[in-house]
Amino acid sequence: AQTVTQSQPEMSVQEAETVTLSCTYDTSENNYYLFWYKQPPSRQMILVIRQEAYKQQNATENRFSVNFQKAAKSFSLKISDSQLGDTAMYFCAFMKTFGNEKLTFGTGTRLTIIP
Amino acid sequence: NAGVTQTPKFQVLKTGQSMTLQCAQDMNHNSMYWYRQDPGMGLRLIYYSASEGTTDKGEVPNGYNVSRLNKREFSLRLESAAPSQTSVYFCASSETGRGTQYFGPGTRLTVL
Repeated sequence: AQTVTQSQPEMSVQEAETVTLSCTYDTSENNYYLFWYKQPPSRQMILVIRQEAYKQQNATENRFSVNFQKAAKSFSLKISDSQLGDTAMYFCAFMKTFGNEKLTFGTGTRLTIIP
Repeated sequence: NAGVTQTPKFQVLKTGQSMTLQCAQDMNHNSMYWYRQDPGMGLRLIYYSASEGTTDKGEVPNGYNVSRLNKREFSLRLESAAPSQTSVYFCASSETGRGTQYFGPGTRLTVL
């Protein structure tokens, strides 16, 4: 079974600064997806970024980028030029590429952007 | 294009009562999922459906039943609610083989 660990329950950063959220996972699979989802106070789960394990290039989406280290089973999220609207819970999640497409989530990191 | 919709948004039940949570998607996705979210934990899979007419248990299926009514709709039923089922419930859907799941707005359920 796969496990996803987020070791930072809470983080805070000043507006406009850069912050990195950590995620490690454990799997014996070689083909998989990794995701970061954002959950603001509205409770809606919003996809931030995804990474396919076979791709060596790190995914980027505007101010959001990942550092994917496959050998170390590490998948961190970097938010640049942080904004007040980035305040949310952030969940790291894992999914096998083949077979049942079930997401395994970490326990989340609560990120607060300070004005 | 509404994406994934869930009804109701909030519900309070007494122990032993039954209810059905409704979920619908308009993205023509084959796969649909039900998760629960408890404080301090990530989302955990209750049941999923890879296609119309099929359902499978997830990580925490006890106390729940599901029905994949058609390609659009996937309902979750609590036959005899218990306080341990107090949680926020999310429905999601995805296109098979594409990975990304799209979530509904959630239902906050309280069982007294």
